[in-house]
Amino acid sequence: DIQMTQSPSSLSASVGDRVTITCRASQSISTYLIWYQQKPGKAPKLLIYAASNLQSGVPSRFSGSGSGTDFTLTISSLQPEDFATYCCQQSYSLPWTFGQGTKVDIK
Amino acid sequence: QVQLQESGPGLVKPSQTLSLTCTVSGGSVSSGGYYWSWIRQPAGKGLEWIGRVYPSGSTNYNPSLNSRVTISVDTSKNQFSLKLSFLTAADTAVYYCARVTETTFSDWFDPWGQGTLVTVSS
Repeated sequence: DIQMTQSPSSLSASVGDRVTITCRASQSISTYLIWYQQKPGKAPKLLIYAASNLQSGVPSRFSGSGSGTDFTLTISSLQPEDFATYCCQQSYSLPWTFGQGTKVDIK
Repeated sequence: QVQLQESGPGLVKPSQTLSLTCTVSGGSVSSGGYYWSWIRQPAGKGLEWIGRVYPSGSTNYNPSLNSRVTISVDTSKNQFSLKLSFLTAADTAVYYCARVTETTFSDWFDPWGQGTLVTVSS
């Protein structure tokens, strides 16, 4: 199985901050990388697919980059509604696997 | 707009079999370019992919659960289902169903059902 490792596991930030979350795959996955946002008690919400493609309706302050083994999710200016847990997922080879999540909370 | 809704028991005894159904509305399980998946999340932990079913009925499962899992699709009812046997406390989790878009450059889960909590306890 491909292991997905996120860092940090949690971070504290203020509204307006630029936030960067990293996801590393245990082997090259090209750009088969997806990012989700999950709020407590809710299902994950798709943010970005194929490493850098913004899902329709997702604010442009979210962006993704990377290829191979190293990927980044960036929130350019953190908004109150962005406090949540973010996780990555690879769709390069079965079984699909997820990162453990990065919790973004209020500083 | 496609919506998914999980249904099934919230409490199951150890060694028994869990049966969950996902009902799809606003779209068809037979639609091309998609397949259907189950994912679970133990409390405070990460997401685990359980398996997938295509409209044709073809399936793939996570090897960690392979011998205990069966996923099927019922196109007449616009539903797909999960059966997980020989349950233990480690199977306690929120279970989600999701539609998966399949492309040559990525597969992604969207939308998801709201999730249903399954507790394994005697």
